[in-house]
Amino acid sequence: DVKVTQSSRYLVKRTGEKVFLECVQDMDHENMFWYRQDPGLGLRLIYFSYDVKMKEKGDIPEGYSVSREKKERFSLILESASTNQTSMYLCASSTPRAKGNEQFFGPGTRLTVL
Amino acid sequence: EDQVTQSPEALRLQEGESSSLNCSYTVSGLRGLFWYRQDPGKGPEFLFTLYSAGEEKEKERLKATLTKKESFLHITAPKPEDSATYLCAVRISNDYKLSFGAGTTVTVRA
Repeated sequence: DVKVTQSSRYLVKRTGEKVFLECVQDMDHENMFWYRQDPGLGLRLIYFSYDVKMKEKGDIPEGYSVSREKKERFSLILESASTNQTSMYLCASSTPRAKGNEQFFGPGTRLTVL
Repeated sequence: EDQVTQSPEALRLQEGESSSLNCSYTVSGLRGLFWYRQDPGKGPEFLFTLYSAGEEKEKERLKATLTKKESFLHITAPKPEDSATYLCAVRISNDYKLSFGAGTTVTVRA
């Protein structure tokens, strides 16, 4: 069964802190994605990766960076957290070997920056 | 610019009252249209992929259909456990990315 896990369900950080959000998938998927979801704005793509050590900017990469050192793990980094980064963060993975390249999501991390 | 629009924003149904959700898209080179279900505070759960006009997919009380300009998600005789936000997304060309609509929040009252 498809499984994407995220390191924390809830996280509270202070402004200026460095924040790491971890995502692990056990489906041997090539592609991994980080989104944020805010009321009224829907899901917005931050970064994605189509292979180990490869990364591509999404629609809203400012203030974020990512790391993909292993195929199964994709990390989102907030170098200096700000209050406008309070949001629900969702990780997803997919494989081009599937006809639809469907994305499968993790449970999400609700991040609050104070 | 590629766009995905879902309507209505919210739908309140009585148990057993069938209805449809709409997802309209203005993209070129559609490679797949996806439906997801999202419960409050959780990640989206994949439901269906549709590839071409005329295609239909079913799962329990849900049926998704696709035309050249839109997709419908029909909910037949809904139950309270069908209450959720339903998201539609499209993939174009060989892009890895999905473009999501804002979602329709469905509430089914017993």
